[in-house]
Amino acid sequence: DIVMTQSPDSLAVSLGERATINCGSSQSVLYSSDNKHYLAWYQQKPGQSPKLLIYWASTRESGVPDRFSGSGSGTDFTLTISSLQAEDVAVYYCQQYYSTPFTFGPGTRVDIK
Amino acid sequence: QVQLVESGGGVVQPGRSLRLSCAASGFTFSTYGLHWVRQAPGKGLEWVAVISHDGRNQYYADSVKGRFTISRDNSKNTLYLQINSLRAEDTAVYYCAKGTGFIDSWGQGTLVAVSS
Repeated sequence: DIVMTQSPDSLAVSLGERATINCGSSQSVLYSSDNKHYLAWYQQKPGQSPKLLIYWASTRESGVPDRFSGSGSGTDFTLTISSLQAEDVAVYYCQQYYSTPFTFGPGTRVDIK
Repeated sequence: QVQLVESGGGVVQPGRSLRLSCAASGFTFSTYGLHWVRQAPGKGLEWVAVISHDGRNQYYADSVKGRFTISRDNSKNTLYLQINSLRAEDTAVYYCAKGTGFIDSWGQGTLVAVSS
């Protein structure tokens, strides 16, 4: 099974500042036949269901603000919020869908400093 | 728009069984894979199972293999999760979710609480 890790566990960022969340996979999630990374990012606000932000490691879901971006390759990935807004307070999860069982990272909590 | 509405949760004694349902609308049900994902109180997301668009292929998390069965009825636009031999550690909100790999839509979840 592919084990997903995230760092940090939590972070507090001032409004308008950058937030960076790291995600690692225990093996590569790059599928050579299509050259795509099978890695997604989700946002879960308090009391709500998760919401898809990014898939294929860097493709932003329709309607997601462009301050959210995904990057990385192989086994190391990053979600960046370029200018934190109050509505971005949430827990963020990465997920690999390269192979079953699909697995989520443990989550990173983002708060306002 | 996509709607996924879970039902069937509740308080259940250890060792008993439960069947969760998820009624879907707003998309062509028979052309999409579907997942169950759970979240224990105050904890992170745990992927549970996925089923292919035609129901022929199912995959499970190691923690539920042999006790949980995912199925679907494409004539009723409904996804199911049969849970047998319930344990305390199965206590969680269970989400129905759309997608074959990444998940692009989630239901609101149904709470399963295992307690004697």
